[in-house]
Amino acid sequence: AQTVTQSQPEMSVQEAETVTLSCTYDTSESDYYLFWYKQPPSRQMILVIRQEAYKQQNATENRFSVNFQKAAKSFSLKISDSQLGDAAMYFCAYIGDRSGNQFYFGTGTSLTVIP
Amino acid sequence: DAMVIQNPRYQVTQFGKPVTLSCSQTLNHNVMYWYQQKSSQAPKLLFHYYDKDFNNEADTPDNFQSRRPNTSFCFLDIRSPGLGDAAMYLCATSRDPGTDVLTFGAGSRLTVL
Repeated sequence: AQTVTQSQPEMSVQEAETVTLSCTYDTSESDYYLFWYKQPPSRQMILVIRQEAYKQQNATENRFSVNFQKAAKSFSLKISDSQLGDAAMYFCAYIGDRSGNQFYFGTGTSLTVIP
Repeated sequence: DAMVIQNPRYQVTQFGKPVTLSCSQTLNHNVMYWYQQKSSQAPKLLFHYYDKDFNNEADTPDNFQSRRPNTSFCFLDIRSPGLGDAAMYLCATSRDPGTDVLTFGAGSRLTVL
């Protein structure tokens, strides 16, 4: 079975600084998608960024970018110019071409932004 | 705005007293999911509907049931809640199964006394 590991339960960053959240995954599938979702306190989970495994170029969405290392099965999220509104739980997620409808989530990283 | 709405946001029930959580969507998505999320844990898929087709995860207890009377609504029924069922229940939708992104509701937090 596929597994997603987030080894940092908690992270903190100074406002306006850059932080990187780590995610590794284990799979034998060749085609898959990776996601970072953000869950602010008491609010709904929203998609931050999405990466197709067949694309070599790292996905970027404004201040959010990923470092996708397919051979190493690593998918880290970089948040640049951190803002107070970035404080949330961040989940890494995976779905493969043979996963059916099963998204596999990591256990999350709680990000604190220090003013 | 098109969205996924869950009700109630907070539900308190007594041990063994049935509870129903609802989810509605205006996205016209084909797939609706129910996840259970306990504190500091990853969301765990309970089951999902692809249109009218119900798909139960192998390790979802029989205590959990679901109904999808139409495209827009999906319900989670917990027949006899135990203390271990206290959690956040997340409803999510996707346009198509497989690789499409998930759109989540805000969740329903269940407390069992």
